[in-house]
Amino acid sequence: AQSVSQHNHHVILSEAASLELGCNYSYGGTVNLFWYVQYPGQHLQLLLKYFSGDPLVKGIKGFEAEFIKSKFSFNLRKPSVQWSDTAEYFCAVNAPSLNDYKLSFGAGTTVTVRA
Amino acid sequence: EAQVTQNPRYLITVTGKKLTVTCSQNMNHEYMSWYRQDPGLGLRQIYYSMNVEVTDKGDVPEGYKVSRKEKRNFPLILESPSPNQTSLYFCASSSWGEGSHEQYFGPGTRLTVT
Repeated sequence: AQSVSQHNHHVILSEAASLELGCNYSYGGTVNLFWYVQYPGQHLQLLLKYFSGDPLVKGIKGFEAEFIKSKFSFNLRKPSVQWSDTAEYFCAVNAPSLNDYKLSFGAGTTVTVRA
Repeated sequence: EAQVTQNPRYLITVTGKKLTVTCSQNMNHEYMSWYRQDPGLGLRQIYYSMNVEVTDKGDVPEGYKVSRKEKRNFPLILESPSPNQTSLYFCASSSWGEGSHEQYFGPGTRLTVT
């Protein structure tokens, strides 16, 4: 199984600040990469995903992520956050080349945006 | 509307009292999975199913059972719950064909075992 590391446990920032959340994974083969968001009291929702093509992926709500294969990274970014971006963010990976469709999650990063 | 449903959403029970959490999806997905979410640990997979009558252990299967008798349903069974199974549980489903195998999550079941 792949392991997924999220660098930050808790990030606190002000509205309009830029956000970048780090994510690294362990497997060197072909992977599918995901960022999920969990708003307080809600279930996980997909923000964006990468499985092939352009390594810069744009998702919902102004989020984007860049897949850098050489660094085994898939960092999430947003140029200007809003109070409503307060949530927990999870990076996840699976490895279809291994016939392993299990989604391995990072521990999550709690983002608090102050008005 | 495409969705994954779970019941109950909240459950408080006592140690040793068998319980079942149901999960159902209406997207005709082959793959279904159960996760538990604990603070600081993210989501960990309990069991998964590739299709009807095909199930396998995830990372933390101890104390849990599952069954997949129908494609749409994937119940999670705790035969003798213990306090360390207090957690937030999510069911998810995914298609099996080409593509990224994005998983769709249910709303979660918050279980407390006293």
